[in-house]
Amino acid sequence: GIQVEQSPPDLILQEGANSTLRCNFSDSVNNLQWFHQNPWGQLINLFYIPSGTKQNGRLSATTVATERYSLLYISSSQTTDSGVYFCAVDFIIQGAQKLVFGQGTRLTINP
Amino acid sequence: SAVISQKPSRDICQRGTSLTIQCQVDSQVTMMFWYRQQPGQSLTLIATANQGSEATYESGFVIDKFPISRPNLTFSTLTVSNMSPEDSSIYLCSVANSGLVYEQYFGPGTRLTVT
Repeated sequence: GIQVEQSPPDLILQEGANSTLRCNFSDSVNNLQWFHQNPWGQLINLFYIPSGTKQNGRLSATTVATERYSLLYISSSQTTDSGVYFCAVDFIIQGAQKLVFGQGTRLTINP
Repeated sequence: SAVISQKPSRDICQRGTSLTIQCQVDSQVTMMFWYRQQPGQSLTLIATANQGSEATYESGFVIDKFPISRPNLTFSTLTVSNMSPEDSSIYLCSVANSGLVYEQYFGPGTRLTVT
């Protein structure tokens, strides 16, 4: 079946550090999204990135669709970056588009 | 992006009862979905809410347990029926417009605790 795997599962860093989160997926994709779930449970859209590289402030993402992975970079981490980061991949399953989530990376930024 | 609201934001319910969660969008959207997030877990798709017809359920989810309505292009409800403690989760609705760009946006979620 369709698999979306994220690594590492947990990451603890000091404020100011940089981090790289990885998402591997098992099949060809139409779309890939990165989300940040804050401590209140809200899912915040970070990137819509089926291929290529995008940047938004301290965050950037790269998806290499042919090699079936995506990377999320966070530079100069702040405590407000803490939370769970999800990669979600949009597959065609039995003719319907379905968003399949990875298990997430829990990021803790300590002051 | 669309502004999505959910009601209630949280609730504590007794087992055996039912709760209806509302999802309202400030603009018309083609697609609406319902997800469940069990404690410490990732998100799992429950069903796609179809306007004017029965929802399309994923494996492991049935209409009798999770009836869904979608009367128009801006509103949907999910009912969690005959609740048990295992139903304690965050329930989230999401929306998208079909087309070349198919990006989903999520509501703030409903945190349900069943005692």
